[in-house]
Amino acid sequence: QVQLVESGGDLVKPGGSLRLSCAASGFTFSDFYMSWIRQAPGKGLECVSDISKSGDTTYYADSVGGRFTISRDNDKKSLYLQMNSLRAEDTAVYYCARGHTILDFRGQGTLVTVSS
Amino acid sequence: EIVMTQSPATLSVSPGERAILSCRASQSVSSNLAWYQQKPGQAPRLLIYGASTRATGIPARFSGSGSGTEFTLTISSLQSEDFAVYYCQQYNNRPWTFGQGTKVEIK
Repeated sequence: QVQLVESGGDLVKPGGSLRLSCAASGFTFSDFYMSWIRQAPGKGLECVSDISKSGDTTYYADSVGGRFTISRDNDKKSLYLQMNSLRAEDTAVYYCARGHTILDFRGQGTLVTVSS
Repeated sequence: EIVMTQSPATLSVSPGERAILSCRASQSVSSNLAWYQQKPGQAPRLLIYGASTRATGIPARFSGSGSGTEFTLTISSLQSEDFAVYYCQQYNNRPWTFGQGTKVEIK
């Protein structure tokens, strides 16, 4: 069955960096766009970034552009999100999802907390 | 940015009753509208895409309708497992945006 396992979330100080990973299984990873979506505590959902099947096209929300970098390794069936210059407002559960328009969430998310 | 507005914020329904959730877009999104269900501590689950197409494995009691700026998610007969928060999302114009959610609670 389709599985997505996010990892890498942690407590980090403002201005710090973190790299999130998402391990995919149960489907042909290279056939799908992939996305990162976040949810601040008690809040709604925000599309953060997505990446094309081959990795040559990326999208970033204005709120993270210039600070976050999305990438993928199709051989390892993995998706990544490098987050730099983290701010308190980046605190959220980060989900990876299959697709980039219609989003298929299959993981549990990973919590990123930015606080001094 | 397209603003998605869901109503009501909270809907109190008895098991077995019908629930009707609304989602309005600030400008037309054609039929590029999805609905998700989220339970506490879990990731969202895709229910409906293309405004009215049920995702794989979604029970027939869930139905979606609408186009343009007005959309509806109907749950025909609420089951205990349906009490959750429901989000609509437009994917017609970047950035894709979500509504603030409707919480369906037990009456």
